[in-house]
Amino acid sequence: AQTVTQSQPEMSVQEAETVTLSCTYDTSENNYYLFWYKQPPSRQMILVIRQEAYKQQNATENRFSVNFQKAAKSFSLKISDSQLGDTAMYFCAFMKRTGTASKLTFGTGTRLQVTL
Amino acid sequence: GAVVSQHPSRVICKSGTSVKIECRSLDFQATTMFWYRQFPKQSLMLMATSNEGSKATYEQGVEKDKFLINHASLTLSTLTVTSAHPEDSSFYICSATDIDKAFFGQGTRLTVV
Repeated sequence: AQTVTQSQPEMSVQEAETVTLSCTYDTSENNYYLFWYKQPPSRQMILVIRQEAYKQQNATENRFSVNFQKAAKSFSLKISDSQLGDTAMYFCAFMKRTGTASKLTFGTGTRLQVTL
Repeated sequence: GAVVSQHPSRVICKSGTSVKIECRSLDFQATTMFWYRQFPKQSLMLMATSNEGSKATYEQGVEKDKFLINHASLTLSTLTVTSAHPEDSSFYICSATDIDKAFFGQGTRLTVV
């Protein structure tokens, strides 16, 4: 079974600054995907970024980038130039690569507050 | 990205009644959908895997007779909370998963009074 750990229950960052959210996971699988999802107060789950484990290159999406360390089973999210709209709950998630639809295993989440 | 529509977004029901929540995949065929439950300020917990044309697979500790899942077509899965009680009050979210990514419905806030 897979486990995902987010050790930071809450984080705060000032607008325009950079913040890094931590995530570690445990799995015996070699092929999988990792995700960061954002859940704003509306509670809609929004995909922030996705990483394929077989790719060494770290994924980036505009202001969002990851530091993927496969050997260390670490998958942190860096948010640059933080904006007030980034305030949300952030979940790290793991999906086994099976070739068919597969479930997500979520971490406990990090609540990010962006302040003026 | 793909769109998953979940309905209703909010529902209040009386204890002992049943409530049906619908999850539709609007622009791709989802042979598998997932139902999650989220308690306040907590993470998403998988309740069951909904398989088109076959029985759902429930996670340990989830009562299959209380949470009935039907996946009658490639675009629709339903979750029925039967004989609802106040402890069933929660936020329920469905997900339609493609091979390498998941798309979520808007969620349903269920309040049982």
